[in-house]
Amino acid sequence: NAGVTQTPKFQVLKTGQSMTLQCAQDMNHNSMYWYRQDPGMGLRLIYYSASEGTTDKGEVPNGYNVSRLNKREFSLRLESAAPSQTSVYFCASSDGGAFYEQFFGPGTRLTVL
Amino acid sequence: AQTVTQSQPEMSVQEAETVTLSCTYDTSESDYYLFWYKQPPSRQMILVIRQEAYKQQNATENRFSVNFQKAAKSFSLKISDSQLGDAAMYFCAYRSGGANNLFFGTGTRLTVIP
Repeated sequence: NAGVTQTPKFQVLKTGQSMTLQCAQDMNHNSMYWYRQDPGMGLRLIYYSASEGTTDKGEVPNGYNVSRLNKREFSLRLESAAPSQTSVYFCASSDGGAFYEQFFGPGTRLTVL
Repeated sequence: AQTVTQSQPEMSVQEAETVTLSCTYDTSESDYYLFWYKQPPSRQMILVIRQEAYKQQNATENRFSVNFQKAAKSFSLKISDSQLGDAAMYFCAYRSGGANNLFFGTGTRLTVIP
């Protein structure tokens, strides 16, 4: 049982390049999330998917797109990377209990030059 | 958007001593949930403890406990018998009962002194 996995762990991009961050969970959770973590800012929600086939914007969606490929996988795409998108990106999934406890992946450190 | 405030960017504690990390939040809702997450240098976010707003009793998990003051909108974390492995960033988080996304504070970096 791997929990939440993310690929890649590190990535360096040049301004204007595109890339997709991959996330998968094996806990049969309905909900999945993408956060970014910047120094001194805590984690901020980019997009989330409450269930397969649905996606919604979070606090900071500009410059990103997401795809809920199936129940297990939720990808985050940067179409034209900008230096302001340099950050650590976390994927999470949550169970259906009262707490909707979120389980996090190990994160991807992205640098945009 | 909900606001979660952690006013202590850094804290330190002697090994085996007790430390309290502060968190306040702003909400007009009565149904919500509160969480403390630990982030060690590995970056992995680990749930430490959680609390339902409708429960008066403070949550406890081994050496970790909370002081939940609903009227004051305060949710502090107490770590007893601090260990070197407790050194990490600690984030307070809020979830509305009507939603499933979390709002995080800016974190407190805890150093444990041997």
